[in-house]
Amino acid sequence: ETGVTQSPTHLIKTRGQQVTLRCSSQSGHNTVSWYQQALGQGPQFIFQYYREEENGRGNFPPRFSGLQFPNYSSELNVNALELDDSALYLCASSSEGNSYNEQFFGPGTRLTVL
Amino acid sequence: KQEVTQIPAALSVPEGENLVLNCSFTDSAIYNLQWFRQDPGKGLTSLLLIQSSQREQTSGRLNASLDKSSGRSTLYIAASQPGDSATYLCAVVGGAQKLVFGQGTRLTINP
Repeated sequence: ETGVTQSPTHLIKTRGQQVTLRCSSQSGHNTVSWYQQALGQGPQFIFQYYREEENGRGNFPPRFSGLQFPNYSSELNVNALELDDSALYLCASSSEGNSYNEQFFGPGTRLTVL
Repeated sequence: KQEVTQIPAALSVPEGENLVLNCSFTDSAIYNLQWFRQDPGKGLTSLLLIQSSQREQTSGRLNASLDKSSGRSTLYIAASQPGDSATYLCAVVGGAQKLVFGQGTRLTINP
């Protein structure tokens, strides 16, 4: 069974640029959630995709957007990068959009905005 | 709005001690609670999942309890080892599988 994978591992961008982060869900999982973790803080929920539809969004501006593909992998896109977007971006997968199900996290992408 | 608090923020103990990490949440209407471990700069490893109808879960040297009515959970680590050094996060799910996290407890086990 393949776990959750994310790419790239690290990324350095400059303010104003755009970035795309990728996540492959664990085998058999159709739900992907994205989280932002600033240094020294707990992760904050960005949004969730269930069967290719957005299924909930946290308190993040519209320049944070996402996609989920038919194979349930997902992308997180961030436009007009700001210095405060520097963080560890985590994705988690689970099955069937069920709130009782355990979520499994990937290793994260470390984004640095200069 | 659900808020999760973890106390203490940091803890340093000698190897071999038993220890307890605390987590509290403000809204008792949760589906489940998960405890995670995070090593520096890494992703989250799920340790234990407690459903809202359960009181505790055990895995090896770890035991997590849940008191939904009082909004509290504890993670008990028995016979601590240096390899247990990490940040421990608790998170609750209140709906739509959105995890709400505490800020974590940074644990150091001294040999």
